[in-house]
Amino acid sequence: DAGVIQSPRHEVTEMGQEVTLRCKPISGHDYLFWYRQTMMRGLELLIYFNNNVPIDDSGMPEDRFSAKMPNASFSTLKIQPSEPRDSAVYFCASTVGGALSSYNEQFFGPGTRLTVL
Amino acid sequence: KQEVTQIPAALSVPEGENLVLNCSFTDSAIYNLQWFRQDPGKGLTSLLLIQSSQREQTSGRLNASLDKSSGRSTLYIAASQPGDSATYLCAVGSDKIIFGKGTRLHILP
Repeated sequence: DAGVIQSPRHEVTEMGQEVTLRCKPISGHDYLFWYRQTMMRGLELLIYFNNNVPIDDSGMPEDRFSAKMPNASFSTLKIQPSEPRDSAVYFCASTVGGALSSYNEQFFGPGTRLTVL
Repeated sequence: KQEVTQIPAALSVPEGENLVLNCSFTDSAIYNLQWFRQDPGKGLTSLLLIQSSQREQTSGRLNASLDKSSGRSTLYIAASQPGDSATYLCAVGSDKIIFGKGTRLHILP
């Protein structure tokens, strides 16, 4: 298995532009998580899906952020419009589990380093 | 609100020594705790997952313990090697998954 795949690996954009980050989870995994990592705040959970359905998006910082999972093998995280404070590394992770209380180990993608100028 | 703390933020240890990394959490009502390793510029690699009903997990030179009542977990690394140099993060699973900010470990050759 290729593991969790994220694209692009690096993204540099200007303030106000739309940014779309992509994730392909490990085949067979029914949970997908989006995280953001910064030096100041560490790793934060933004949103997670179970069987393509968003379960908890309370970590999404603002309405400028949105995430979709149209099918079991693809998810997107969109920022529109982007701002310099959105600069961070965004990780996608997947796992298999019946419920959050019993999720198995999470497998992380390599991340997308986003820089908003 | 669950808070996860890892102290120290950075640690340097001579090669060959055994070492312990610490993770503490404020709410003992957790489902599990997971230790990760992160290399610079890379994603996280899962090391060990401890369910709330367990007290420890072992994998090779790594041993993780969990004491829910005191809100603590430790990651023990035996016979440290330069390749162990990385940032180690713990994550607590309750109603949300909360990560500590990690301990940056440097093994001195």
